[in-house]
Amino acid sequence: SAVISQKPSRDICQRGTSLTIQCQVDSQVTMMFWYRQQPGQSLTLIATANQGSEATYESGFVIDKFPISRPNLTFSTLTVSNMSPEDSSIYLCSVETGGEETQYFGPGTRLLVL
Amino acid sequence: AQSVSQHNHHVILSEAASLELGCNYSYGGTVNLFWYVQYPGQHLQLLLKYFSGDPLVKGIKGFEAEFIKSKFSFNLRKPSVQWSDTAEYFCAVGTGRRALTFGSGTRLQVQP
Repeated sequence: SAVISQKPSRDICQRGTSLTIQCQVDSQVTMMFWYRQQPGQSLTLIATANQGSEATYESGFVIDKFPISRPNLTFSTLTVSNMSPEDSSIYLCSVETGGEETQYFGPGTRLLVL
Repeated sequence: AQSVSQHNHHVILSEAASLELGCNYSYGGTVNLFWYVQYPGQHLQLLLKYFSGDPLVKGIKGFEAEFIKSKFSFNLRKPSVQWSDTAEYFCAVGTGRRALTFGSGTRLQVQP
């Protein structure tokens, strides 16, 4: 498995602002994903972060709201733009190491939007 | 699109009781199946996984799960739970798209 860190671990933000979440892995990985876990709910995939190309978004999620970068094989960012209280969630990144088809999750970023 | 159902939302057991958590999925093709666990204050960890072969898979901490293809099920079991098993358990399904679809989770509370 890989060691995954996320920054920040938590934040409280005002509506209308944006927050960028970082995900760092200690080894090169083929696939990186971003999930959202809303209060009391399960995990929902936001997008797959593709290295060197645009992210692939799931239905209901758009690039303007959740822009994603993946400049290399160990790092990705997710920005939550123009936040509203409905964006209050835990945001998690996960990685799939080469050939394993198994995802490992970071510790998550707990976001509260006021 | 695939979906995953976990029937038990909240389970309360006494220590040494046996555990079975249900997981059913809907998808017509080949799937990879996972159980993840989230202990209080910790991040999501892989408990066990099934890709192919023996449908009874063993994971960490004495957990096991059985894949029954005809029932589209992947139930998690443990013969004797401990207080330290108190956590939230998530079943997840992976298909050729590589992304995972998660169930709603089951909160297990083990009373000493």
